[in-house]
Amino acid sequence: SQQGEEDPQALSIQEGENATMNCSYKTSINNLQWYRQNSGRGLVHLILIRSNEREKHSGRLRVTLDTSKKSSSLLITASRAADTASYFCATASGAGSYQLTFGKGTKLSVIP
Amino acid sequence: IAGITQAPTSQILAAGRRMTLRCTQDMRHNAMYWYRQDLGLGLRLIHYSNTAGTTGKGEVPDGYSVSRANTDDFPLTLASAVPSQTSVYFCASSDSSRGSQFFGPGTRLTVL
Repeated sequence: SQQGEEDPQALSIQEGENATMNCSYKTSINNLQWYRQNSGRGLVHLILIRSNEREKHSGRLRVTLDTSKKSSSLLITASRAADTASYFCATASGAGSYQLTFGKGTKLSVIP
Repeated sequence: IAGITQAPTSQILAAGRRMTLRCTQDMRHNAMYWYRQDLGLGLRLIHYSNTAGTTGKGEVPDGYSVSRANTDDFPLTLASAVPSQTSVYFCASSDSSRGSQFFGPGTRLTVL
């Protein structure tokens, strides 16, 4: 069953605008990760935020985590056409689990 | 090679046939995973291996088997393929528990 659920399912913005994607999950986590997938390709890891962190930055990416609301957001600033892709959140739970549980993804289209 | 390779890239298979999807990584990661990706369902974990010699079942293991004879290789076998196994299959690896995962390019499998 899906742990993370992304919102919105699809997002279309103009180049230069910011894009915000949200992820909600159901159970406690050790960390939450965001991945990107270009059409027809494998997933690429973007950023990992641990359960004791609230915000993390990497280049034009900003991730927030609110464990009380069981939610996370991914912000891409100053978007580019090359950011067009699907974005997935994935959660890692405890009990020594090596597994990630992925959401269904947000499809982002950045229009030049 | 660098990273993770998967073979074949794509395959059309008759129902009832046996098929092995190959996955090799050269990063000496201890953990490896197989996912299937279906439209509207995101990625679902089929099987995983925390270290060479051990394997575990994921969310959707039925109809699939895996082996982990060494660190680098993690083949996925469909003993008797069925049309519902038509999907895109991704292999991934990670070097620590609950760490980020590296994905292969995927195998597109069609079972007729």
